[in-house]
Amino acid sequence: DAMVIQNPRYQVTQFGKPVTLSCSQTLNHNVMYWYQQKSSQAPKLLFHYYDKDFNNEADTPDNFQSRRPNTSFCFLDIRSPGLGDAAMYLCATSRVLGTNTEAFFGQGTRLTVV
Amino acid sequence: KNQVEQSPQSLIILEGKNCTLQCNYTVSPFSNLRWYKQDTGRGPVSLTIMTFSENTKSNGRYTATLDADTKQSSLHITASQLSDSASYICVVSAKGSTLGRLYFGRGTQLTVWP
Repeated sequence: DAMVIQNPRYQVTQFGKPVTLSCSQTLNHNVMYWYQQKSSQAPKLLFHYYDKDFNNEADTPDNFQSRRPNTSFCFLDIRSPGLGDAAMYLCATSRVLGTNTEAFFGQGTRLTVV
Repeated sequence: KNQVEQSPQSLIILEGKNCTLQCNYTVSPFSNLRWYKQDTGRGPVSLTIMTFSENTKSNGRYTATLDADTKQSSLHITASQLSDSASYICVVSAKGSTLGRLYFGRGTQLTVWP
């Protein structure tokens, strides 16, 4: 059974039209991450939550926001998508436990901006 | 600067052949190193996770090695199959105050031909 679920798998949005991507997990993990992955590039961390503590990467544009209403759900809001925001968005979770923290990824949401 | 470098960038092999992918890192302090397989359009799936004290770990036809002194890892795939065609990503985790921070390589794109 899928443990990290992202919806939708594919999202098409208009330039400048707000869009929300969702992620849910059944693992009860403390940490949830959002990554942006462009074609042939490594995933780039946008931000993460450790429980309710929000940690934004210094170079994440203000256009990207996130919400974590409870342990299971985390949302990525893109307030005004630009053409350069078209990418695969990956959600991941981990439970901080010793040194063997495993990270589990969702299937990703492919965002297209038209 | 914490970095993860992978080589080669891409690789084409014939079905049934073996191959080895390389990963060099400068992440410090080191926590663990994982190899992920990412099929096109999907999220990464964990293959192995190795800590400082582990030199070799196998998962079916996948064998990962780690040399923590030289900060190098390899992923060896034996008897390749068409379904092995994917991007293989090396991810290194750093010990942090709150999180197992993840550093991604750009991946090696493996193509297996019949």
